Amino acid sequence: DTAVSQTPKYLVTQMGNDKSIKCEQNLGHDTMYWYKQDSKKFLKIMFSYNNKELIINETVPNRFSPKSPDKAHLNLHINSLELGDSAVYFCASSQDIAGPYNEQFFGPGTRLTVL
Amino acid sequence: GDSVTQMEGPVTLSEEAFLTINCTYTATGYPSLFWYVQYPGEGLQLLLKATKADDKGSNKGFEATYRKETTSFHLEKGSVQVSDSAVYFCALSDRGYSTLTFGKGTMLLVSP
Repeated sequence: DTAVSQTPKYLVTQMGNDKSIKCEQNLGHDTMYWYKQDSKKFLKIMFSYNNKELIINETVPNRFSPKSPDKAHLNLHINSLELGDSAVYFCASSQDIAGPYNEQFFGPGTRLTVL
Repeated sequence: GDSVTQMEGPVTLSEEAFLTINCTYTATGYPSLFWYVQYPGEGLQLLLKATKADDKGSNKGFEATYRKETTSFHLEKGSVQVSDSAVYFCALSDRGYSTLTFGKGTMLLVSP
């Protein structure tokens, strides 16, 4: 069983469109994250949710709206897509939000290409 | 704020060579330190971690020691294999939250 899964794996779309990426974890974790990896492989936290509540929002444009319908899911909706949004988006989860022992488990990534 | 600095890549080695990837960090508190590995086309996997000064993390022949005095967490392996070719990320986690701050990644290419 896949611990953290994301759909779709690849997403190609036009500028100005709205798209969503879905993430599900079956580990029973309380905390989920979205990271963005740019073309130079640099990874940066975008959001984190704990028990469906937004905990961290790292200066991400408000075109990006995460939604957590339950603890096992954290979806990412992006409005009015721009060329600069092209990247690989990784979902991750951990047992809890705090503490040094929490290992984060990553999904396989969604490669978004905006044309 | 917190930051992680890794050596630039790619690092190109022959099989069975010794590997060192340097990592230094800046943090206000006492972070936990991690090495993650990303194989081509895959997500990140935790390779090893250390949660306090002088701890040594180890896994699959890789080792790293948490050095508070030099704020470093260098990754080493005595004999690399072709299958170790991947991008390696050093990261830290502040004690307050589990959110990871990553370095820019170092690509390792191992040739037969």
